[in-house]
Amino acid sequence: GQSLEQPSEVTAVEGAIVQINCTYQTSGFYGLSWYQQHDGGAPTFLSYNALDGLEETGRFSSFLSRSDSYGYLLLQELQMKDSASYFCAVRNQNFVFGPGTRLSVLP
Amino acid sequence: DAGVTQSPTHLIKTRGQQVTLRCSPISGHKSVSWYQQVLGQGPQFIFQYYEKEERGRGNFPDRFSARQFPNYSSELNVNALLLGDSALYLCASSLGSGAFFGQGTRLTVV
Repeated sequence: GQSLEQPSEVTAVEGAIVQINCTYQTSGFYGLSWYQQHDGGAPTFLSYNALDGLEETGRFSSFLSRSDSYGYLLLQELQMKDSASYFCAVRNQNFVFGPGTRLSVLP
Repeated sequence: DAGVTQSPTHLIKTRGQQVTLRCSPISGHKSVSWYQQVLGQGPQFIFQYYEKEERGRGNFPDRFSARQFPNYSSELNVNALLLGDSALYLCASSLGSGAFFGQGTRLTVV
């Protein structure tokens, strides 16, 4: 079977750093991607890791360890607008999404 | 450049009816996938099409079908609607690394 695990909720304050973890068990693996989804909106693509290591895109960074079947999304200098759900997704023949992590940023 | 566009944005149907959802991918993207998302969960894969051929199918009943046209746009059809089919239906196009989603069609079955 295929499964991804993420924490269901994370809370942090403005200006802080938060890490959202993702572990996966899938048949076939090309890479791990991350998406942000605000309430009522569609998921938007944030980042993609095909190889081990850290990818940095502005305030967001994503890390992958293929040997550990593990990745994380790191959000720095949190802003209120970062309050949203975050999904990791494994790319094999298609995209298999995790259950999502709801991030609440407090003032 | 236009992103992924979906129509309609909202739809209300009664049980037993049939529905057709439409999607136009980002220009140059040949792969289109459909996902169902219920509240509080991640998107669930329904179908993938590439160059008009079905490349993958998720764990959905045969009431769900799809096709892709020569211009790479796509339709998702759902027959004999059930209350449990109420969800946000997302279309995504991809060049490989990431999926780019349309705004979705919110289907309500009453």
